[in-house]
Amino acid sequence: AQSVTQLGSHVSVSEGALVLLRCNYSSSVPPYLFWYVQYPNQGLQLLLKYTSAATLVKGINGFEAEFKKSETSFHLTKPSAHMSDAAEYFCAVSNKAAGNKLTFGGGTRVLVKP
Amino acid sequence: DSGVTQTPKHLITATGQRVTLRCSPRSGDLSVYWYQQSLDQGLQFLIQYYNGEERAKGNILERFSAQQFPDLHSELNLSSLELGDSALYFCASSVPGTSGSGEQFFGPGTRLTVL
Repeated sequence: AQSVTQLGSHVSVSEGALVLLRCNYSSSVPPYLFWYVQYPNQGLQLLLKYTSAATLVKGINGFEAEFKKSETSFHLTKPSAHMSDAAEYFCAVSNKAAGNKLTFGGGTRVLVKP
Repeated sequence: DSGVTQTPKHLITATGQRVTLRCSPRSGDLSVYWYQQSLDQGLQFLIQYYNGEERAKGNILERFSAQQFPDLHSELNLSSLELGDSALYFCASSVPGTSGSGEQFFGPGTRLTVL
């Protein structure tokens, strides 16, 4: 079985400030981990993925995430928020044994204040 | 643009009706996944097809069914619709299984409104 918990359904940051979105996962086998972003009235866009290579993963738009097995975490960060980062962010887990189906967290909506 | 297409973009229908949602995966992708996004349930996996065969089932209601055709496009059929079926339905496709990364590419979704 696999599951994902995202801490905080809403996060508000100032433009230029650090963005930190928390994700903890549970998986009975080695997981694949993903962060997706959803802009209003749009589909899901992949930000970055962890697939058992480097534990620090760099993605698009300046985002990165670090896989920490001991903490079962995969937190997403961006050093400096931009207004265009306002969106909803989803952490997801999958594994080969589960046919690579994605299990999503509840999502975190990011508001960026000028 | 992910390369995954979904039609229609919006669908408004009445309770008790039946609708069909269509998805065309990226060229070369053999797996198609269907997900439902609703305010109360969040994003949930419904069903997966691989090269025409059902591979995995999630929280899919018995009123719902899907299939994948020889040209690899997929259809999700929703019948006896209820108000609670109103949601955004996403289709995703992934590279053939040997790649192992599990990365999925999502279509723009079909917004279903049941009145």
